Amino acid sequence: DTGVSQDPRHKITKRGQNVTFRCDPISEHNRLYWYRQTLGQGPEFLTYFQNEAQLEKSRLLSDRFSAERPKGSFSTLEIQRTEQGDSAMYLCASSLELGHYEQFFGPGTRLTVL
Amino acid sequence: AQTVTQSQPEMSVQEAETVTLSCTYDTSENNYYLFWYKQPPSRQMILVIRQEAYKQQNATENRFSVNFQKAAKSFSLKISDSQLGDTAMYFCAFMEYGNKLVFGAGTILRVKS
Repeated sequence: DTGVSQDPRHKITKRGQNVTFRCDPISEHNRLYWYRQTLGQGPEFLTYFQNEAQLEKSRLLSDRFSAERPKGSFSTLEIQRTEQGDSAMYLCASSLELGHYEQFFGPGTRLTVL
Repeated sequence: AQTVTQSQPEMSVQEAETVTLSCTYDTSENNYYLFWYKQPPSRQMILVIRQEAYKQQNATENRFSVNFQKAAKSFSLKISDSQLGDTAMYFCAFMEYGNKLVFGAGTILRVKS
């Protein structure tokens, strides 16, 4: 299956630690999106990439968050100095270029900050 | 900023019956896309149906159809012949041309046997 994959699926960390998540999009998809979903809420946009270029970042993405997509393939999302409020499901989605609107979602990484 | 409102936190329906989930949105744009996504318990989100704002005809995908009222900024989802596998969280989402999705808070749908 060549769907969107995310690793790890679950991460438990202590407050103040750094964590990094990985997303592998569908291979031919140029666009890659990160969303955050807290319990009982809809996903909220964090950032997106067109190939390796990060085109937009939400104001939700504080300076403790950084995302990269080297070579326009997989992407990483790093959270530095985690806080309890960072506990959420982090979703990755990918889509083809402009003109193709369906975003395909990965299973998510559930982060718990103790 | 665009906003999406789903006013029904939870809905229940008997198997084989029809249910309608409500969604309203706010935008000043004229060209945009609307989506319904389904998120089953502990499973990833999948697209149910989409609607292009420039199309007057309501989208249909098998048992799923929408009632798109552009002037009223309303986009409801109708599920016919409900099945147990339809039990999930349903999200209404708005997308500007080629851009990010803005989601509503979701409606939990429970299909009862």
